[in-house]
Amino acid sequence: KAGVTQTPRYLIKTRGQQVTLSCSPISGHRSVSWYQQTPGQGLQFLFEYFSETQRNKGNFPGRFSGRQFSNSRSEMNVSTLELGDSALYLCASSLDVGPSYEQYFGPGTRLTVT
Amino acid sequence: QQQVKQSPQSLIVQKGGISIINCAYENTAFDYFPWYQQFPGKGPALLIAIRPDVSEKKEGRFTISFNKSAKQFSLHIMDSQPGDSATYFCAASGPNFGNEKLTFGTGTRLTIIP
Repeated sequence: KAGVTQTPRYLIKTRGQQVTLSCSPISGHRSVSWYQQTPGQGLQFLFEYFSETQRNKGNFPGRFSGRQFSNSRSEMNVSTLELGDSALYLCASSLDVGPSYEQYFGPGTRLTVT
Repeated sequence: QQQVKQSPQSLIVQKGGISIINCAYENTAFDYFPWYQQFPGKGPALLIAIRPDVSEKKEGRFTISFNKSAKQFSLHIMDSQPGDSATYFCAASGPNFGNEKLTFGTGTRLTIIP
């Protein structure tokens, strides 16, 4: 079974621009979560989607948004990019919602904002 | 109250030795404690997880010890091998726990030397 795939793997953007990252979950998985990983803040939860609905949201500004499609694929968008948005953005999928369902992470998208 | 404190930040162990990484939490609502292993350029991968109804869980060379009263849990890697060199994250979650999916520790960079 193929793992979680994320595209693109690397991205360089300029301050003020916006970016869209894509995540394809493991086949059959219906929950998709997004995390930001930085050296300073570590791994921080962004949001979780299930059945095209955002279920949970972490403590990030409204510039960070996401959506999930009917096939469970998900996208996250960051508008008006800031230097501090440079990070590894990780997507994780799980079979269903709830902490008892293991999360499987993709390789991430490395975003660099200049 | 949502923090998970992880130590040490980095750890060097000789091949064949025991690697021990510790985590502590505050929120008693947590009831799921996974450990993730991350290699450079890869997303975190679930290693082993425990729930508070047991004090220890072992899978191969990896053991989680859990102390509910002290609100601490630790990862033990027996017979550590160079291939175990990676960054390890503890995490915690729980049902109806606010808006967080997983709260991660800050990570431990483990280096196994020959």
